[in-house]
Amino acid sequence: EAAVTQSPRNKVAVTGGKVTLSCNQTNNHNNMYWYRQDTGHGLRLIHYSYGAGSTEKGDIPDGYKASRPSQENFSLILELATPSQTSVYFCASGHTGTGGYEQYFGPGTRLTVL
Amino acid sequence: GDSVTQTEGQVTVSESKSLIINCTYSATSIGYPNLFWYVRYPGEGLQLLLKVITAGQKGSSRGFEATYNKEATSFHLQKASVQESDSAVYYCALSGMSNYNVLYFGSGTKLTVEP
Repeated sequence: EAAVTQSPRNKVAVTGGKVTLSCNQTNNHNNMYWYRQDTGHGLRLIHYSYGAGSTEKGDIPDGYKASRPSQENFSLILELATPSQTSVYFCASGHTGTGGYEQYFGPGTRLTVL
Repeated sequence: GDSVTQTEGQVTVSESKSLIINCTYSATSIGYPNLFWYVRYPGEGLQLLLKVITAGQKGSSRGFEATYNKEATSFHLQKASVQESDSAVYYCALSGMSNYNVLYFGSGTKLTVEP
């Protein structure tokens, strides 16, 4: 009954190839997020969305696109993958509002770009 | 900008000893951030450990405590007596007062509790 799921869990891609990471949530949250985590860094925000059809740039959006076709689904797209995008990617969902709402995270996708 | 600093990348503590993991923050654009500790246990996903949204208040969970110190811009995580099962990676994070609740994370502290 995991509320936030990601696919694939592991991916090996070639430089210049297109990669799509998918995220699904059953929490009925308006907000969804994509982060990447690298050694020595915490999670860094790539893109986020506040509802179906919306995407917003986070702190490190270069080289990434996002798509939110529905409340439940949020994808991260690497049109031309590069080795520097080798990382672990986390999707999360969360409530809208100013009450200090927490985020609920998926298990992560390990991406290796060769 | 807004940021979170965790100075210790790795901490090793003997079982039953006390623990403190340091966290300081800068919230120049946010002003009054919400503060969180997240944890990732081995083989599991990232999950909320505790949060505090009001300055001066303390949050607690699973024997861990953290106090929102606005004057010192700190949110240190403490536990009086750690157990092996506390071995995990701990992340301090903050969010602002917008509806989007974007999180800014520290770099994480890996805690190893030795028997």
